[in-house]
Amino acid sequence: DADVTQTPRNRITKTGKRIMLECSQTKGHDRMYWYRQDPGLGLRLIYYSFDVKDINKGEISDGYSVSRQAQAKFSLSLESAIPNQTALYFCATSGTGTSSYNEQFFGPGTRLTVL
Amino acid sequence: GDSVTQMEGPVTLSEEAFLTINCTYTATGYPSLFWYVQYPGEGLQLLLKATKADDKGSNKGFEATYRKETTSFHLEKGSVQVSDSAVYFCALSAPVDSSYKLIFGSGTRLLVRP
Repeated sequence: DADVTQTPRNRITKTGKRIMLECSQTKGHDRMYWYRQDPGLGLRLIYYSFDVKDINKGEISDGYSVSRQAQAKFSLSLESAIPNQTALYFCATSGTGTSSYNEQFFGPGTRLTVL
Repeated sequence: GDSVTQMEGPVTLSEEAFLTINCTYTATGYPSLFWYVQYPGEGLQLLLKATKADDKGSNKGFEATYRKETTSFHLEKGSVQVSDSAVYFCALSAPVDSSYKLIFGSGTRLLVRP
């Protein structure tokens, strides 16, 4: 079984709809991240969390919100989706050990299309 | 701010050719450097990493050396295979950034033909 899972894998929605993307991990990591990937731009950070009480904005958080329901679960919400939020979304986790504190493990991604 | 610049793709090679994908970075202090690979329809996988100057990361025949003097971390492989076709991302993690986030380059698509 995959260590980092994302649901759904694909989603098509309409402008103005509320959408939630979910991420679960079995790696026991404290740190979780949401990125979006756009062609030619690499991945950009939306939000990150170091534990259930620690949520932080990334470089492109406008239009998004997150919830850290448990150590293993980190959800991303689009309150009112718009077409320029069409992208591939990745969840990632990292641990706090000194040998791997900045190595991140990625889920398979969610492809979101907003019409 | 911190940034990563990668060569534009796509890079098209014949099987067994030599591969170089250039990556340069701008960062404060001494970042950790990574290469991630994304196969079609999949998430990113860590390919290799280096955490200090002159370190060489290696995995699956790929290598990259952390060059502080040229702020580079070029990815190389001596003989590519069709199965290496993927998108390759160079990334850094800045030690002064308490988020430990990764800053990615734009990615380079590699296509290896039989």
